Amino acid sequence: ETGVTQTPRHLVMGMTNKKSLKCEQHLGHNAMYWYKQSAKKPLELMFVYNFKEQTENNSVPSRFSPECPNSSHLFLHLHTLQPEDSALYLCASSQDDRVRLFSGANVLTFGAGSRLTVL
Amino acid sequence: DQQVKQNSPSLSVQEGRISILNCDYTNSMFDYFLWYKKYPAEGPTFLISISSIKDKNEDGRFTVFLNKSAKHLSLHIVPSQPGDSAVYFCAASGAPGNMLTFGGGTRLMVKP
Repeated sequence: ETGVTQTPRHLVMGMTNKKSLKCEQHLGHNAMYWYKQSAKKPLELMFVYNFKEQTENNSVPSRFSPECPNSSHLFLHLHTLQPEDSALYLCASSQDDRVRLFSGANVLTFGAGSRLTVL
Repeated sequence: DQQVKQNSPSLSVQEGRISILNCDYTNSMFDYFLWYKKYPAEGPTFLISISSIKDKNEDGRFTVFLNKSAKHLSLHIVPSQPGDSAVYFCAASGAPGNMLTFGGGTRLMVKP
């Protein structure tokens, strides 16, 4: 497999359930990200991991719990979510969250997303 | 408050004509700007970027223009093709750190 792979692609869960989203990148990148895309809103950065260490937590509620066991894998553990948490959750990776490529831009490669519906 | 705004939620263009997508930003610390394209059921894919030391960057049919004084950038697609129909996101990054801040997206529809 190549690029950034996210599973599951679709998830429906009740407010009392516990589930996890998984992301895997095959690009040799060192930084991984979780973004949330709600309807009619910009992509919102949730978490950033660089070399397995969390470098950014964008004031995300504790019902979202990230885990990064290594530079290739990123999880988002979900528990006691609310209906307003229904959204598209996008994982991304980049070479490094601080180092800029020759173009100077921190180019992220995104997965296809996990569409979450909370009932 | 949104630091990166795309004020047009949608744009419809005839095949072969020019598509112009606009983006405004408020943070003067942004020094790199990127455009991403997103098809349904796929993640956003990187299209083109520009540094704040430039005012134009071209890659094939795609050109990004940056007007720093107006805090405005635009993406020009010439000629537009039906396969260009997608949602286009503008993003910006700058010191401190290197995180991308995204706009809300513009849905481009290119009619055959």
